[in-house]
Amino acid sequence: GAVVSQHPSRVICKSGTSVKIECRSLDFQATTMFWYRQFPKQSLMLMATSNEGSKATYEQGVEKDKFLINHASLTLSTLTVTSAHPEDSSFYICSALPLSGGAGNEQFFGPGTRLTVL
Amino acid sequence: GESVGLHLPTLSVQEGDNSIINCAYSNSASDYFIWYKQESGKGPQFIIDIRSNMDKRQGQRVTVLLNKTVKHLSLQIAATQPGDSAVYFCAESGADSSYKLIFGSGTRLLVRP
Repeated sequence: GAVVSQHPSRVICKSGTSVKIECRSLDFQATTMFWYRQFPKQSLMLMATSNEGSKATYEQGVEKDKFLINHASLTLSTLTVTSAHPEDSSFYICSALPLSGGAGNEQFFGPGTRLTVL
Repeated sequence: GESVGLHLPTLSVQEGDNSIINCAYSNSASDYFIWYKQESGKGPQFIIDIRSNMDKRQGQRVTVLLNKTVKHLSLQIAATQPGDSAVYFCAESGADSSYKLIFGSGTRLLVRP
Protein backbone atom coordinates (compact mmCIF):
# COMPACT_ATOMS: atom_id res chain seq x y z
CA GLY A 1 0.00 0.00 0.00
CA ALA A 2 0.82 3.74 -0.06
CA VAL A 3 2.23 3.81 -3.56
CA VAL A 4 2.89 7.03 -5.42
CA SER A 5 3.61 7.07 -9.13
CA GLN A 6 5.01 9.73 -11.40
CA HIS A 7 4.69 10.08 -15.14
CA PRO A 8 6.77 10.36 -17.15
CA SER A 9 9.85 8.90 -15.51
CA ARG A 10 12.08 10.66 -18.00
CA VAL A 11 11.45 13.50 -20.41
CA ILE A 12 13.63 15.41 -22.81
CA CYS A 13 12.32 18.62 -24.29
CA LYS A 14 13.49 21.59 -26.27
CA SER A 15 14.13 24.93 -24.67
CA GLY A 16 11.02 27.09 -24.61
CA THR A 17 8.52 24.26 -24.49
CA SER A 18 6.33 23.24 -21.56
CA VAL A 19 6.40 19.90 -19.79
CA LYS A 20 3.74 18.38 -17.55
CA ILE A 21 4.61 15.91 -14.82
CA GLU A 22 1.92 13.87 -13.08
CA CYS A 23 1.95 12.62 -9.51
CA ARG A 24 -0.63 10.02 -8.51
CA SER A 25 -1.40 8.33 -5.23
CA LEU A 26 -2.44 4.87 -6.37
CA ASP A 27 -4.08 3.36 -3.31
CA PHE A 28 -4.87 6.24 -1.02
CA GLN A 29 -6.26 9.73 -1.13
CA ALA A 30 -4.15 12.79 -0.51
CA THR A 31 -5.39 16.32 0.04
CA THR A 32 -1.80 17.48 0.20
CA MET A 33 1.05 16.67 -2.14
CA PHE A 34 4.49 18.19 -2.27
CA TRP A 35 6.83 18.88 -5.16
CA TYR A 36 10.59 18.77 -4.76
CA ARG A 37 13.49 19.46 -7.08
CA GLN A 38 16.84 17.75 -6.75
CA PHE A 39 19.97 18.76 -8.66
CA PRO A 40 22.83 16.25 -9.06
CA LYS A 41 24.63 15.42 -5.83
CA GLN A 42 22.35 17.74 -3.89
CA SER A 43 19.48 17.36 -1.50
CA LEU A 44 15.77 17.63 -2.14
CA MET A 45 14.48 21.18 -2.11
CA LEU A 46 10.80 21.76 -1.51
CA MET A 47 9.26 23.77 -4.33
CA ALA A 48 5.62 23.93 -3.38
CA THR A 49 2.76 22.42 -1.45
CA SER A 50 -0.13 21.27 -3.58
CA ASN A 51 -3.54 21.37 -1.96
CA GLU A 52 -6.57 19.69 -3.47
CA GLY A 53 -9.17 22.25 -4.41
CA SER A 54 -7.09 25.31 -3.68
CA LYS A 55 -4.04 27.16 -4.88
CA ALA A 56 -0.60 25.77 -4.33
CA THR A 57 1.73 27.34 -1.82
CA TYR A 58 5.16 28.06 -3.21
CA GLU A 59 8.43 28.24 -1.34
CA GLN A 60 10.45 31.40 -1.41
CA GLY A 61 12.32 31.82 -4.68
CA VAL A 62 10.12 29.46 -6.69
CA GLU A 63 8.31 31.19 -9.55
CA LYS A 64 4.66 30.23 -9.46
CA ASP A 65 4.09 31.34 -13.05
CA LYS A 66 6.87 29.09 -14.24
CA PHE A 67 5.99 26.04 -12.19
CA LEU A 68 2.25 25.62 -12.47
CA ILE A 69 0.68 23.21 -10.03
CA ASN A 70 -2.79 21.76 -10.27
CA HIS A 71 -4.27 19.39 -7.71
CA ALA A 72 -7.32 18.29 -9.60
CA SER A 73 -8.40 15.41 -7.41
CA LEU A 74 -7.53 13.59 -4.21
CA THR A 75 -5.20 11.31 -6.14
CA LEU A 76 -3.58 13.56 -8.75
CA SER A 77 -1.34 16.58 -8.76
CA THR A 78 0.42 17.94 -11.82
CA LEU A 79 3.48 20.13 -12.17
CA THR A 80 3.91 22.00 -15.43
CA VAL A 81 7.28 23.54 -16.17
CA THR A 82 6.49 26.36 -18.56
CA SER A 83 8.95 27.74 -21.10
CA ALA A 84 11.57 25.32 -19.90
CA HIS A 85 15.24 26.24 -20.09
CA PRO A 86 18.37 24.14 -19.63
CA GLU A 87 18.73 25.36 -16.05
CA ASP A 88 15.37 23.72 -15.28
CA SER A 89 16.92 20.33 -15.98
CA SER A 90 16.63 18.44 -12.74
CA PHE A 91 15.07 15.50 -10.94
CA TYR A 92 11.53 16.36 -9.87
CA ILE A 93 10.03 14.32 -7.05
CA CYS A 94 6.57 14.44 -5.56
CA SER A 95 5.26 13.14 -2.27
CA ALA A 96 1.76 12.62 -0.96
CA LEU A 97 0.35 12.95 2.52
CA PRO A 98 -2.49 10.48 3.14
CA LEU A 99 -5.87 11.96 3.89
CA SER A 100 -6.09 9.72 6.92
CA GLY A 101 -2.88 11.13 8.32
CA GLY A 102 -0.94 7.93 7.83
CA ALA A 103 1.64 6.95 10.41
CA GLY A 104 1.99 10.37 11.93
CA ASN A 105 3.18 12.83 9.34
CA GLU A 106 4.62 10.25 6.99
CA GLN A 107 4.72 11.27 3.35
CA PHE A 108 5.04 8.77 0.54
CA PHE A 109 7.39 9.63 -2.28
CA GLY A 110 7.14 9.03 -5.98
CA PRO A 111 10.01 7.59 -8.02
CA GLY A 112 10.91 10.95 -9.54
CA THR A 113 10.94 12.42 -13.04
CA ARG A 114 14.19 13.25 -14.78
CA LEU A 115 13.75 16.37 -16.90
CA THR A 116 16.37 17.31 -19.45
CA VAL A 117 15.96 20.55 -21.36
CA LEU A 118 18.06 20.86 -24.49
CA GLY B 1 16.57 30.26 7.63
CA GLU B 2 15.82 26.76 8.66
CA SER B 3 18.37 24.13 7.78
CA VAL B 4 19.29 20.59 8.48
CA GLY B 5 22.94 19.69 8.04
CA LEU B 6 25.16 16.65 8.16
CA HIS B 7 28.64 16.23 9.56
CA LEU B 8 29.97 13.71 7.03
CA PRO B 9 29.27 13.88 3.31
CA THR B 10 30.68 10.40 2.60
CA LEU B 11 30.99 7.37 4.84
CA SER B 12 32.84 4.23 3.81
CA VAL B 13 32.39 1.09 5.90
CA GLN B 14 33.35 -2.53 5.68
CA GLU B 15 30.58 -4.99 5.01
CA GLY B 16 29.33 -6.38 8.30
CA ASP B 17 30.39 -3.36 10.34
CA ASN B 18 27.95 -0.95 11.91
CA SER B 19 27.36 2.44 10.29
CA ILE B 20 26.50 5.68 12.00
CA ILE B 21 25.22 8.62 9.99
CA ASN B 22 24.80 11.93 11.76
CA CYS B 23 22.61 14.94 11.23
CA ALA B 24 22.32 18.31 12.93
CA TYR B 25 19.09 20.26 12.79
CA SER B 26 18.67 23.91 13.57
CA ASN B 27 14.99 24.37 14.41
CA SER B 28 14.27 23.34 17.97
CA ALA B 29 10.54 23.58 17.25
CA SER B 30 10.63 20.63 14.83
CA ASP B 31 8.82 17.67 16.31
CA TYR B 32 9.11 14.94 13.70
CA PHE B 33 12.25 13.54 12.14
CA ILE B 34 12.71 11.01 9.38
CA TRP B 35 15.59 9.18 7.75
CA TYR B 36 15.38 8.39 4.05
CA LYS B 37 17.50 6.24 1.77
CA GLN B 38 17.88 7.27 -1.83
CA GLU B 39 19.40 5.10 -4.52
CA SER B 40 20.61 6.59 -7.75
CA GLY B 41 17.79 7.76 -9.99
CA LYS B 42 15.07 6.86 -7.51
CA GLY B 43 12.84 8.65 -5.04
CA PRO B 44 13.54 8.67 -1.31
CA GLN B 45 12.67 5.53 0.59
CA PHE B 46 11.43 5.80 4.16
CA ILE B 47 13.70 4.09 6.69
CA ILE B 48 12.62 5.13 10.13
CA ASP B 49 11.11 8.09 11.93
CA ILE B 50 11.01 9.48 15.42
CA ARG B 51 8.98 12.08 17.25
CA SER B 52 10.43 14.68 19.54
CA ASN B 53 8.97 13.01 22.63
CA MET B 54 11.27 10.04 22.09
CA ASP B 55 15.06 9.62 22.34
CA LYS B 56 15.45 6.34 20.52
CA ARG B 57 13.55 4.17 18.13
CA GLN B 58 14.56 0.85 16.68
CA GLY B 59 13.62 -0.89 13.48
CA GLN B 60 14.99 -3.83 11.62
CA ARG B 61 18.79 -3.35 11.69
CA VAL B 62 18.32 0.40 12.09
CA THR B 63 18.15 2.67 15.11
CA VAL B 64 17.49 6.38 15.21
CA LEU B 65 18.70 8.46 18.13
CA LEU B 66 17.47 11.94 18.87
CA ASN B 67 19.28 14.35 21.15
CA LYS B 68 17.14 17.43 21.49
CA THR B 69 19.60 19.15 23.80
CA VAL B 70 22.17 19.50 21.04
CA LYS B 71 19.71 19.15 18.16
CA HIS B 72 21.34 16.05 16.81
CA LEU B 73 19.93 13.06 14.99
CA SER B 74 21.72 9.87 14.07
CA LEU B 75 20.99 6.74 12.11
CA GLN B 76 22.69 3.52 13.09
CA ILE B 77 22.73 0.61 10.68
CA ALA B 78 23.77 -2.71 12.11
CA ALA B 79 25.72 -5.27 10.08
CA THR B 80 25.91 -3.02 7.04
CA GLN B 81 25.32 -4.81 3.76
CA PRO B 82 26.23 -3.90 0.16
CA GLY B 83 22.56 -3.17 -0.47
CA ASP B 84 22.76 -0.40 2.09
CA SER B 85 25.00 1.62 -0.23
CA ALA B 86 23.04 4.77 -1.06
CA VAL B 87 22.64 8.39 -0.06
CA TYR B 88 20.93 8.93 3.27
CA PHE B 89 18.99 12.06 4.13
CA CYS B 90 17.55 13.22 7.39
CA ALA B 91 14.50 15.44 7.31
CA GLU B 92 12.65 17.48 9.89
CA SER B 93 9.09 18.65 10.08
CA GLY B 94 6.49 20.31 12.22
CA ALA B 95 8.20 23.52 13.27
CA ASP B 96 5.54 25.65 11.61
CA SER B 97 2.70 23.24 12.30
CA SER B 98 2.79 22.15 8.67
CA TYR B 99 3.79 18.81 7.20
CA LYS B 100 6.55 20.32 5.09
CA LEU B 101 9.83 18.43 5.18
CA ILE B 102 13.21 20.11 5.30
CA PHE B 103 15.94 17.82 4.07
CA GLY B 104 19.54 17.70 5.15
CA SER B 105 22.38 17.72 2.66
CA GLY B 106 22.82 13.96 2.58
CA THR B 107 25.52 11.40 3.34
CA ARG B 108 26.71 8.87 0.82
CA LEU B 109 27.26 5.46 2.40
CA LEU B 110 29.71 3.18 0.59
CA VAL B 111 29.92 -0.41 1.74
CA ARG B 112 33.20 -2.16 0.95
CA PRO B 113 32.91 -5.90 0.30
